[in-house]
Amino acid sequence: DTEVTQTPKHLVMGMTNKKSLKCEQHMGHRAMYWYKQKAKKPPELMFVYSYEKLSINESVPSRFSPECPNSSLLNLHLHALQPEDSALYLCASSQVGQGDIQYFGAGTRLSVL
Amino acid sequence: ILNVEQSPQSLHVQEGDSTNFTCSFPSSNFYALHWYRWETAKSPEALFVMTLNGDEKKKGRISATLNTKEGYSYLYIKGSQPEDSATYLCAFITGTASKLTFGTGTRLQVTL
Repeated sequence: DTEVTQTPKHLVMGMTNKKSLKCEQHMGHRAMYWYKQKAKKPPELMFVYSYEKLSINESVPSRFSPECPNSSLLNLHLHALQPEDSALYLCASSQVGQGDIQYFGAGTRLSVL
Repeated sequence: ILNVEQSPQSLHVQEGDSTNFTCSFPSSNFYALHWYRWETAKSPEALFVMTLNGDEKKKGRISATLNTKEGYSYLYIKGSQPEDSATYLCAFITGTASKLTFGTGTRLQVTL
């Protein structure tokens, strides 16, 4: 099973809402990632978890709050987002090793109204 | 800020044509280069991980080469098929950072 599952596929939220994005993998990978992709731009790294600990935060605003409850799950909690946060949010996982292939989910398309 | 550039931005070829595109990256502090294929509404899928200067990798009709000294990688598709239509992304990793920096991608469309 090389699948990374993201839910929901689509999400519409207001600027005062609180919502969460979920990501799950059962490949035994110990590194998990959140990326943000705006239209016609490359994916940009937001966060990296390694062995369930946050190892990289790419200066992401605090309205995005990641959580890694266990080695298979990764959440991204959203609060007080802005319309410019509308984007495709991709989750990925890999073996822990610099340069390992990353396996991606299909993403959550987020619209902030 | 690392600059990873891909060209062309988009490409439209006929079925059966062979094609290639380029990924340019900083030649210093190289660790690895990945190629991914991303079909619309699907997950990006890894094609190749390239680490050594002069590497050549092949997967079916798709192959890639790597030149770390001059900072470029080529992706070749032989005999393009409509199912090859996708965006092809390269991603660069330095020796000091455990993260991928993606290029802007080449969008390939193959028509009958």
